[in-house]
Amino acid sequence: IAGITQAPTSQILAAGRRMTLRCTQDMRHNAMYWYRQDLGLGLRLIHYSNTAGTTGKGEVPDGYSVSRANTDDFPLTLASAVPSQTSVYFCASSDSPGGFDTQYFGPGTRLTVL
Amino acid sequence: AQKVTQAQTEISVVEKEDVTLDCVYETRDTTYYLFWYKQPPSGELVFLIRRNSFDEQNEISGRYSWNFQKSTSSFNFTITASQVVDSAVYFCALSETGDSGYSTLTFGKGTMLLVSP
Repeated sequence: IAGITQAPTSQILAAGRRMTLRCTQDMRHNAMYWYRQDLGLGLRLIHYSNTAGTTGKGEVPDGYSVSRANTDDFPLTLASAVPSQTSVYFCASSDSPGGFDTQYFGPGTRLTVL
Repeated sequence: AQKVTQAQTEISVVEKEDVTLDCVYETRDTTYYLFWYKQPPSGELVFLIRRNSFDEQNEISGRYSWNFQKSTSSFNFTITASQVVDSAVYFCALSETGDSGYSTLTFGKGTMLLVSP
């Protein structure tokens, strides 16, 4: 069982380009999340999805969009990347929606926007 | 105001020393959960513990122990007889429902623990 996989592992991207970070989980968890981690700021929630077909905004959603077409996949799209989106991005999932249940994290994607 | 405060940015100890990582949280909810995660140098986030607001019993797991005190809004993490492999960034996190009506996980900024041989 892989748990949560993320792709790519790392990426260097020119500003203005479109980029989709992929996240797939095989635990049949209902809820999925995207966080960004920046030095000195901890992890901040970008978007979440309580169940397939629904999404919601987190603390820092601007410049990002998500979709949840099925239970397993939760891609994060940067429509037009900017340097401030340089960060490490973590996808997570939990069995139950909301933050009360334990969230399990993927290995992360390191994104550099130049 | 910060909901989860980890005042120690970095701690350095020598192997076999005991070390306590502090976590202070702020919430108006009566039902909430607290978590600790470990992020080793390899970068992944590893779940360590989840504790609900109604269970103030301290927990011990091997060399790890957690002290939850609602009176001081603290959920401290102690590593006994630290080892080099304990070197990592440790995050405390709070889950509450809050004004939004949905529960989310809020992380502290993390404490970097360096254990030297």
